[in-house]
Amino acid sequence: DTGVSQNPRHKITKRGQNVTFRCDPISEHNRLYWYRQTLGQGPEFLTYFQNEAQLEKSRLLSDRFSAERPKGSFSTLEIQRTEQGDSAMYLCASSLYGLAGSEQFFGPGTRLTVL
Amino acid sequence: AQKVTQAQTEISVVEKEDVTLDCVYETRDTTYYLFWYKQPPSGELVFLIRRNSFDEQNEISGRYSWNFQKSTSSFNFTITASQVVDSAVYFCALSEAEGLETSGSRLTFGEGTQLTVNP
Repeated sequence: DTGVSQNPRHKITKRGQNVTFRCDPISEHNRLYWYRQTLGQGPEFLTYFQNEAQLEKSRLLSDRFSAERPKGSFSTLEIQRTEQGDSAMYLCASSLYGLAGSEQFFGPGTRLTVL
Repeated sequence: AQKVTQAQTEISVVEKEDVTLDCVYETRDTTYYLFWYKQPPSGELVFLIRRNSFDEQNEISGRYSWNFQKSTSSFNFTITASQVVDSAVYFCALSEAEGLETSGSRLTFGEGTQLTVNP
């Protein structure tokens, strides 16, 4: 396993369109996280899953955003009716819950540009 | 609420100089984890170190060292004899633990310090 992968790496869309991103975590990891990073800022937490259960959602996650992890493996993040303010890097990370102090490993991110 | 502050927005040094990146955190929990990540120009966050709140021992790994002081809520990172390849944005992050044997949940990141090492 080579780590966390994300697709696509880049997405350009027009305002009002829907977009979907995919994250494939490290195979044995049961926790999966989504973060958003805008230019010059640190990543901000959006949501996370343990197996297929979504355990926490940030207030940053408006109702236009939805995330799923249907079989406890890969996850998708969908943004409906995109706005220019959604332009950012969307980062996915995974970790192994239950192992004391295990760190989150990040994927390369999906850069979204909303025109 | 938890918060991480990295007061240094940008640091520029000449190769072989030592450089310290500051990190100050706020949390109400007594059990928490602190992290440093590196984000090179390629963009992917790379894990460097994790510390739990019960372990205040300083750590050295090659040219990297970390100084954790609970009394001042600081977790500073020093690079000795910096190299051009160290140029990156460095993030300090905090995670509150959910129990004695868990890794914690979401990470709260600071705004990052852009380190530029010039030849």
